[in-house]
Amino acid sequence: GAVVSQHPSRVICKSGTSVKIECRSLDFQATTMFWYRQFPKQSLMLMATSNEGSKATYEQGVEKDKFLINHASLTLSTLTVTSAHPEDSSFYICSARDGRWGNPFFGSGTQLSVL
Amino acid sequence: QKEVEQNSGPLSVPEGAIASLNCTYSDRGSQSFFWYRQYSGKSPELIMFIYSNGDKEDGRFTAQLNKASQYVSLLIRDSQPSDSATYLCAVGRGNYGQNFVFGPGTRLSVLP
Repeated sequence: GAVVSQHPSRVICKSGTSVKIECRSLDFQATTMFWYRQFPKQSLMLMATSNEGSKATYEQGVEKDKFLINHASLTLSTLTVTSAHPEDSSFYICSARDGRWGNPFFGSGTQLSVL
Repeated sequence: QKEVEQNSGPLSVPEGAIASLNCTYSDRGSQSFFWYRQYSGKSPELIMFIYSNGDKEDGRFTAQLNKASQYVSLLIRDSQPSDSATYLCAVGRGNYGQNFVFGPGTRLSVLP
């Protein structure tokens, strides 16, 4: 099946720094990728939809200036958490679909810990 | 009302029994429905998807969809301890169901 690679798997950073997370579709082209956040013992919450070559669409309540999304190619989307704070500590997961009707595949997730 | 609702559990079943997981959704126009399994600290993995009313079987798993009742379920036959995980119900949203709304998940514990 299709593979979505996410990197890094774990990052620890100091408050105020920025962290970039990469999501790659390895064997298919993804015009759309999705970014989710999951707090402990909670479900996945969609943060934004990343569209190749255009601006991301953010869900209500998600700060677009804090969570910068870039989808510069059909196989790569990045999420940058700017000026991270401890409350941004969470599990971030990307997903991508192989085609409009394809089932989405998830990356392995990134555990972000902000000290 | 939340868009997708599930009992949080934990649901405990003995090994070899049938585990029944339920999910309701609020958007009557939803067309695609997915079940994911998530182990602690890991990313979700797709178990099944269903688009049409009725049952869909894949090995030990059966998904059931009733759009009139806005209800989707997952049955796991011959439950194994390795099935112990959180099961997430996801409903496609948008014109093409291109993004998902996830339920809170149900924790399943299969007891040896």
